[in-house]
Amino acid sequence: EVQLVQSGAEVKKPGESLKISCKGSGYSFTSYWIGWVRQMPGKGLEWMGIIYPGDSDTRYSPSFQGQVTISADKSISTAYLQWSSLKASDTAMYYCARRGYSGYEYYFDYWGQGTLVTVSS
Amino acid sequence: SSELTQDPAVSVALGQTVRITCQGDSLRSYYASWYQQKPGQAPVLVIYGKNNRPSGIPDRFSGSSSGNTASLTITGAQAEDEADYYCNSRDSSGNHLGVFGGGTKLTVL
Repeated sequence: EVQLVQSGAEVKKPGESLKISCKGSGYSFTSYWIGWVRQMPGKGLEWMGIIYPGDSDTRYSPSFQGQVTISADKSISTAYLQWSSLKASDTAMYYCARRGYSGYEYYFDYWGQGTLVTVSS
Repeated sequence: SSELTQDPAVSVALGQTVRITCQGDSLRSYYASWYQQKPGQAPVLVIYGKNNRPSGIPDRFSGSSSGNTASLTITGAQAEDEADYYCNSRDSSGNHLGVFGGGTKLTVL
């Protein structure tokens, strides 16, 4: 059974750093891209970026380039999303998702349960 | 980058058919995938590719596409279908990036 299990909720202060995780199991972790999706309170889904754990090839949506860092450790089947200096506007639910594919068509077929990040002074 | 546009809200009477649409230039080149999200839950893939349903998704859900518009149709909507629905597509630049639509809140009356 494919599973993506994310780390628990975080409460941080502005300016602090943070790294959240997403552990995959039940499939070949190095063979599928893993994406990160932001959902701010009461808002829609936003495509942040994606990483291929096999070689750590990483792509960012222009809106998130330079704002976050996506990484992966294939030895422990885990992807990460990190911030060096959090802002209150980073308060959101963050989802990781596996990107499946069929030919040139991509889609997120399995999702983590989400990690709630709250940034408040 | 690309943009996908969805109607913010749609309603349907119980048992009737509803179509949720998604417009964007990238849809001329790529199919949309569709996700259902209920309050407090992670999104769930309901349609991908030309018109494919993952295992466990009822066959009342179907997808179609024409020009720059993708559609998700629910034939015989049920109360449990009340949710937010998001479309997603590859970025029109052809790289590995993607984009979500703004979402449609479906109310089943």
